[in-house]
Amino acid sequence: QQQVKQSPQSLIVQKGGISIINCAYENTAFDYFPWYQQFPGKGPALLIAIRPDVSEKKEGRFTISFNKSAKQFSLHIMDSQPGDSATYFCAASSRRGNKLVFGAGTILRVKS
Amino acid sequence: DGGITQSPKYLFRKEGQNVTLSCEQNLNHDAMYWYRQDPGQGLRLIYYSQIVNDFQKGDIAEGYSVSREKKESFPLTVTSAQKNPTAFYLCASSMGRVNQPQHFGDGTRLSIL
Repeated sequence: QQQVKQSPQSLIVQKGGISIINCAYENTAFDYFPWYQQFPGKGPALLIAIRPDVSEKKEGRFTISFNKSAKQFSLHIMDSQPGDSATYFCAASSRRGNKLVFGAGTILRVKS
Repeated sequence: DGGITQSPKYLFRKEGQNVTLSCEQNLNHDAMYWYRQDPGQGLRLIYYSQIVNDFQKGDIAEGYSVSREKKESFPLTVTSAQKNPTAFYLCASSMGRVNQPQHFGDGTRLSIL
């Protein structure tokens, strides 16, 4: 019930391409879905977050798509750049628990 | 600059030894968290505290202890009971209200000698 399943584990994209990372959850009480970006040796940094009352949220080149009925959400990185190479984590939390449950992470490499 | 400071960046533990990881924040956040990060497993919650002098166990609390005597500080002790302590430890804080963003420090990497 508490798991968030993230895929793929790793991803290689050409510069200028679209990177897509997917997450799925079971707990229907989840109502906050953030994405974090982590560079080697650093802590994760919040990238973008969505709540289930919207189906899409865009910030610059980063877009979250949310499908409430399928209990899935995804991160799209448009025009991927080598500087986007990092590990990306999806997460989810509910008002009841107020604790974040993280996916296992996706290592993204953008080739120049 | 406001932020979260974790120290030390690298730490080595001998068998049977307790070690304490420091986490300090100057964001005036009420809630603080400790996570353990292992390759391929994401972040797992060890302990969290939503207010001074109160804390709760997370998903993997065995072999760890914490204290929250001051709002800005949330140290984590890795005890000798934690048989597999080698990991990257991350501290985070948030405003404490429901579903507020968590801000992370840059971690402490703990290894066994």
